[in-house]
Amino acid sequence: DAGVIQSPRHEVTEMGQEVTLRCKPISGHNSLFWYRQTMMRGLELLIYFNNNVPIDDSGMPEDRFSAKMPNASFSTLKIQPSEPRDSAVYFCASSPVQGSNEKLFFGSGTQLSVL
Amino acid sequence: GESVGLHLPTLSVQEGDNSIINCAYSNSASDYFIWYKQESGKGPQFIIDIRSNMDKRQGQRVTVLLNKTVKHLSLQIAATQPGDSAVYFCAGASGNTPLVFGKGTRLSVIA
Repeated sequence: DAGVIQSPRHEVTEMGQEVTLRCKPISGHNSLFWYRQTMMRGLELLIYFNNNVPIDDSGMPEDRFSAKMPNASFSTLKIQPSEPRDSAVYFCASSPVQGSNEKLFFGSGTQLSVL
Repeated sequence: GESVGLHLPTLSVQEGDNSIINCAYSNSASDYFIWYKQESGKGPQFIIDIRSNMDKRQGQRVTVLLNKTVKHLSLQIAATQPGDSAVYFCAGASGNTPLVFGKGTRLSVIA
């Protein structure tokens, strides 16, 4: 199994530009999570999906952030417009436990730098 | 809400010694805990988990201890190796609430 696959690995963009991060969860996993990691705040949950349905998006910082999961094998996190304070590592994770956040398997992350 | 923290931000141990990484939590309703290892440039990697109906669980070279009385969690790594150098995170949850992660402890293994 290839694990959770995220793309791109690195993204450098200018303030105001749209950024789209992509994630392919492990096949068969029903739950998908988006986290953001910074030195100051650690790992923060942004949003999670069960069976492609968003369950809790209370961690999404602002309306500039949106996430979709059109099918069981793909999810996107979009930031529009991006700001320098959005610079962080964004992780996608999936879980094999139905409707649960146990035993999350993380991707390698996308390092986002907004200039 | 859940608040998960760590006693020490950094820990240095001699190769071959045992390592103990500590974690405190505040929500007495937390019933699930998990430890992750994160190496530089990689995502967190699952190490071991434990439910609140247990006080100890062992894996390969790792043991997690849970003390619900003082709301304390620890990860013990036996015979620490250079490959164990990483940041270790504890996380906790109650019911199906999302995992709350601590800030992490950086473990450095001295050869």
